[in-house]
Amino acid sequence: AQSVSQHNHHVILSEAASLELGCNYSYGGTVNLFWYVQYPGQHLQLLLKYFSGDPLVKGIKGFEAEFIKSKFSFNLRKPSVQWSDTAEYFCAVTLLAGYNKLIFGAGTRLAVHP
Amino acid sequence: SQTIHQWPATLVQPVGSPLSLECTVEGTSNPNLYWYRQAAGRGLQLLFYSVGIGQISSEVPQNLSASRPQDRQFILSSKKLLLSDSGFYLCAWSPNLDRAEQYFGPGTRLTVT
Repeated sequence: AQSVSQHNHHVILSEAASLELGCNYSYGGTVNLFWYVQYPGQHLQLLLKYFSGDPLVKGIKGFEAEFIKSKFSFNLRKPSVQWSDTAEYFCAVTLLAGYNKLIFGAGTRLAVHP
Repeated sequence: SQTIHQWPATLVQPVGSPLSLECTVEGTSNPNLYWYRQAAGRGLQLLFYSVGIGQISSEVPQNLSASRPQDRQFILSSKKLLLSDSGFYLCAWSPNLDRAEQYFGPGTRLTVT
């Protein structure tokens, strides 16, 4: 069965530190890739997405992610985090084979201390 | 612009009671609709999806069912709730395209006592 793995369940950083959250998926076919973010008390919202083309995609709030097909990875990065980046981050995959069904990773809780 | 609504926001129900959670989407037509359950530390699990009125696909066999009586309305139901049905339920929609992101509602926190 297809799955998405997020390597870190909890990450604690100080402001201005760099961030990288790992995401790997298990599916050999064509995929769409997403990072969603859930800020405390808010809706789940899209951070960035990859459909095709340049494997380095930029999203909102200075986030970016790189799709490495050979490694089945889609890691999220930010050069300098802020306290307001404290949230839970979810990596997700849809398979072009069917109905846009999102398969989510377990999520990573990021806490940024001032 | 499109908006998605869910209600109620929170619900406390006794074991064995029925359940009805509602999701509606505004500002779009013929969307794909989804129900997810979010459990702490386990991400989101897809429960049901629908590509049109009356068309429901189940991803996980369980005590729940879904219906889509109108194009932009999606309902999650149960005849008799179990303790294990407690959780955070999210509705989402996407355009009916091969490549499209999903947009999530605010969710319903269900506690079965």
